[in-house]
Amino acid sequence: QLQVQESGPGLVKTSETLSLTCTVSGGSISSSRYFWGWIRQPPAKGLQWIGNIYSSGNTYYTPSLNSRVTITADASKNQVSLRLNSVTAADTAVYYCARTLGYCSATSCAEAFDIWGQGTMVTVSS
Amino acid sequence: DIQMTQSPSSLSASVGDRVTITCRASHNINKQLNWYQQTPGKAPNLLIYGASNLYNGVPSRFSGSGSGADFTLTISGLQPEDFATYYCQQSSSSLRTFGQGTKVEIK
Repeated sequence: QLQVQESGPGLVKTSETLSLTCTVSGGSISSSRYFWGWIRQPPAKGLQWIGNIYSSGNTYYTPSLNSRVTITADASKNQVSLRLNSVTAADTAVYYCARTLGYCSATSCAEAFDIWGQGTMVTVSS
Repeated sequence: DIQMTQSPSSLSASVGDRVTITCRASHNINKQLNWYQQTPGKAPNLLIYGASNLYNGVPSRFSGSGSGADFTLTISGLQPEDFATYYCQQSSSSLRTFGQGTKVEIK
């Protein structure tokens, strides 16, 4: 059973870099069958997709964070990492790592976040 | 990027009620639409993929419909464990987006 676990500092100072790691067990992050995403949720707010990384190494980021975010993968450690530069209080959130897998039925196909980590709370403060 | 708009933002209902949540996309996303359920303090759980397909283990009282830009999530016979926040999410674009969420509260 594939499992996902986020880790990293719970407190980051304003203007510094937020760095989180997603450790995957029970499966390889390099499989071409699926890919990986980061999603965040500010306190009492909704979900915001941050970005995805594919087995090819290609990445896609939400436009509002594109200039500050980097997602990388380390196959030797079976980890996916998130870096967010120049953080402010607005980056305070629970950060989730999730697997994306394509699902098909007789009528439709879609790629969905099917396995999520428990999330890690990051507070940005001076 | 594709904007996803859910309505209502919140609703109150009783156990046994039928509840419908709508999600509208700013562009045609065919059936590339997923629904998630989130309870407080927990990660979201996948409910429905491809607009209308139940994910593994999801009770049959949940159903989804729609295509193009308009979608609905229906819960037929609300159970106590269904009081939660529900999100739609499109996977048509490489730039994924979520709806703002609909909170289902106990009346």
